Amino acid sequence: DAMVIQNPRYQVTQFGKPVTLSCSQTLNHNVMYWYQQKSSQAPKLLFHYYDKDFNNEADTPDNFQSRRPNTSFCFLDIRSPGLGDAAMYLCATSRGGRDRGLETQYFGPGTRLLVL
Amino acid sequence: AQTVTQSQPEMSVQEAETVTLSCTYDTSESDYYLFWYKQPPSRQMILVIRQEAYKQQNATENRFSVNFQKAAKSFSLKISDSQLGDAAMYFCAYRSAVNGGSQGNLIFGKGTKLSVKP
Repeated sequence: DAMVIQNPRYQVTQFGKPVTLSCSQTLNHNVMYWYQQKSSQAPKLLFHYYDKDFNNEADTPDNFQSRRPNTSFCFLDIRSPGLGDAAMYLCATSRGGRDRGLETQYFGPGTRLLVL
Repeated sequence: AQTVTQSQPEMSVQEAETVTLSCTYDTSESDYYLFWYKQPPSRQMILVIRQEAYKQQNATENRFSVNFQKAAKSFSLKISDSQLGDAAMYFCAYRSAVNGGSQGNLIFGKGTKLSVKP
């Protein structure tokens, strides 16, 4: 009965080699988020989708892109990973109703990215 | 900009005892939401408890309760009767309530790692 699924759980890539992380949800939620969490640091929002509307955080590097082909799936593309991009990447969803601020965010288990 | 500070990187509690995790935040807004999320080792983050800033009454969820001090901008989490399964990283988070929260995002603190001793 997994609700937010992230694949793979661990991803190893080479410096500069494009990599895609995937997230899927069975909750039919309108909003999907991508967070970056580096070791011993707080999760940091990269961007989110409200339905098909993409919302990028001002300080998210251009190296990070996202796609949401349908309600269930959302992808994080890192075009040219650097050593500093090694982190846990968390996907989360929320319903996207009228009281969005109070809504629970449902997190996936994360994908740990290693850049060699 | 809003900030969230968790001053205790690590805490330890004996099983069945009570522990309080601290969180302070900085904001100029009067309406907002506060959350505590729990991230167990190698498992997904889940919501523990939440508080609406306009509500004076402290939120409670079973063994988890908060002490919300709006004037002091403090939002501590109390875990009563601690269990081994409570061992996790705990994150305090803030979200603006402007426009119903549709424009604000969760701002997390750096977390407190809680260990529970049997």
